[in-house]
Amino acid sequence: TQLLEQSPQFLSIQEGENLTVYCNSSSVFSSLQWYRQEPGEGPVLLVTVVTGGEVKKLKRLTFQFGDARKDSSLHITAAQTGDTGLYLCAGAFWRGKLIFGQGTELSVKP
Amino acid sequence: NAGVTQTPKFRVLKTGQSMTLLCAQDMNHEYMYWYRQDPGMGLRLIHYSVGEGTTAKGEVPDGYNVSRLKKQNFLLGLESAAPSQTSVYFCASSKGLATDTQYFGPGTRLTVL
Repeated sequence: TQLLEQSPQFLSIQEGENLTVYCNSSSVFSSLQWYRQEPGEGPVLLVTVVTGGEVKKLKRLTFQFGDARKDSSLHITAAQTGDTGLYLCAGAFWRGKLIFGQGTELSVKP
Repeated sequence: NAGVTQTPKFRVLKTGQSMTLLCAQDMNHEYMYWYRQDPGMGLRLIHYSVGEGTTAKGEVPDGYNVSRLKKQNFLLGLESAAPSQTSVYFCASSKGLATDTQYFGPGTRLTVL
């Protein structure tokens, strides 16, 4: 079974705090994607990481792909209320299949 | 460009009833997908299509059928709905492989009583 474990499942923090979401698997991925989903809408792609050890930044969001291409993390610096939403990681296999993690429900309180 | 649209947005069925969900995309994408989203389980792939006239099974295909008669449309059918199929259904499309960016529709919330 190909599993992608995401943690934590729920996160409630105050505005201005930092946080990290983790995505782990025993499988090796060709690339890993991070999506953000708001209530009542479909997921929207934030970033794709492809190379082992790769780090990508998107304003206050930092994404890292593990050296072994089995894990990834999303770090948010100085969270804002607008960051509230469901964050999903998705691992891609070489034959083109995409596996999603369970998601992390983030709530940023003012 | 509307992107990916889904019809209907909400639906309530009784056990045993049938229905079809329609997905349409205007980006000329080859690949289309149907996912279901349940609390704590992320998105799970039901069926997908790599081009007009082709379909393939995903992780959880039982109880669902699909058709892709036109490149821009991907239909998901439930022949005999069961309470276990209560979920939010998302359609997505991508230009090429699943590893490309997938563009999602707004979802259909289905309740089976």
